[in-house]
Amino acid sequence: QLQLQESGSGLVKPSQTLSLTCAVSGGSISSGGYSWSWIRQPPGKGLEWIGYIYHSGNTYYNPSLKSRVTISVDRSKNQFSLKLSSVTAADTAVYYCARTTVVNTYYFDYWGQGTLVTVSS
Amino acid sequence: SYVLTQPPSVSVAPGQTARITCGGNNIGSKSVHWYQQKPGQAPVLVVFDDSDRPSGIPERFSGSNSGNTATLTINRVEAGDEADYSCQVWDSGSDHVFGGGTKLTVL
Repeated sequence: QLQLQESGSGLVKPSQTLSLTCAVSGGSISSGGYSWSWIRQPPGKGLEWIGYIYHSGNTYYNPSLKSRVTISVDRSKNQFSLKLSSVTAADTAVYYCARTTVVNTYYFDYWGQGTLVTVSS
Repeated sequence: SYVLTQPPSVSVAPGQTARITCGGNNIGSKSVHWYQQKPGQAPVLVVFDDSDRPSGIPERFSGSNSGNTATLTINRVEAGDEADYSCQVWDSGSDHVFGGGTKLTVL
């Protein structure tokens, strides 16, 4: 059974960079047909896709966040990471990593449990 | 940008049928996916590609999609179905889009 686990700092100061890692177990991050996404959910609000990285290393980002987002992959550790720069209080959210099916259709079939990141001084 | 519209809440008695809608411009031409999210938990995929169910999802969950509305139908609703439900599509101009979510209350 595929499992994803987020880790990283739960408290980030305004203007600094948020950094999270998603460890994948029970399957290879290099498997074809999938990409690896970051999705967030502000308290009491809906889900927002941040971006994803293919096993090839190609990345795609939400245009509204593109200037501040970097997603990278470490195949040797079977994990991928998110960096979001210049954060503000509006970036406070639960951040999820998820596997994305990308063959003929696009949906998120496995999710991590999520990690709350609070932006505050 | 592409927008998905869901009712904020739907209420249904146990044993009855719940229908949760997801509106979008010509959404019938897109593949719609549905997620269930219980408080404090990660979303779970319950329907993909309009009407397919992942393994382990009860047959009580089904979906349809036509015109400007997609619908998630839950038959014989149980107390354990109480959750937030969100729809999602991929749009060439907006990438991955989620609806705002619908809170299903089992009376």
